[in-house]
Amino acid sequence: AQKVTQAQTEISVVEKEDVTLDCVYETRDTTYYLFWYKQPPSGELVFLIRRNSFDEQNEISGRYSWNFQKSTSSFNFTITASQVVDSAVYFCALYTGGFKTIFGAGTRLFVKA
Amino acid sequence: NAGVTQTPKFQVLKTGQSMTLQCAQDMNHEYMSWYRQDPGMGLRLIHYSVGAGITDQGEVPNGYNVSRSTTEDFPLRLLSAAPSQTSVYFCASSRGMSGYTFGSGTRLTVV
Repeated sequence: AQKVTQAQTEISVVEKEDVTLDCVYETRDTTYYLFWYKQPPSGELVFLIRRNSFDEQNEISGRYSWNFQKSTSSFNFTITASQVVDSAVYFCALYTGGFKTIFGAGTRLFVKA
Repeated sequence: NAGVTQTPKFQVLKTGQSMTLQCAQDMNHEYMSWYRQDPGMGLRLIHYSVGAGITDQGEVPNGYNVSRSTTEDFPLRLLSAAPSQTSVYFCASSRGMSGYTFGSGTRLTVV
């Protein structure tokens, strides 16, 4: 069975702190995709990144970085020097085929000024 | 491009009523899906479609119907609304596994 676990329900940090959001996934498939989405307080869902199972290179995009480790089945997301605008719910998701993407329960991030 | 357009944004239904949530995309994406979002449960897949005329069930399909007569439109029908269907509903589309583009959501309350 496929599963995505985001163990951190809520995280609160002070602006300029670094924060890492954890994502652990379960699948027996060798080919799969992992995603992160952001849901700001306005409610829309925004795609952030996709990573396929054959590409374990870390990704950096501005203050955002992602660490994919197949050995630990993790796809963690780090925000460096957090800002108030980073306050949102972040979802990790897994696609393993069969046209079904499953989502974790989400991590709510509060960044205080 | 408008992306994915969902209507209505808000809806209140009485138990037993039926309604259709509309979803349209203008990106020529072959893949469309409906999710519901409930507190602490993330997004759960209701139904999905891989192209016009092709639909299939997701994790929580009971009480919902879909159809895909065109590439652009993917309406979700609630057959007989129940309080358990109170939720926020998102329509999404993608080209292959490029990552979803989501609609703005429909907040549905069933009383």
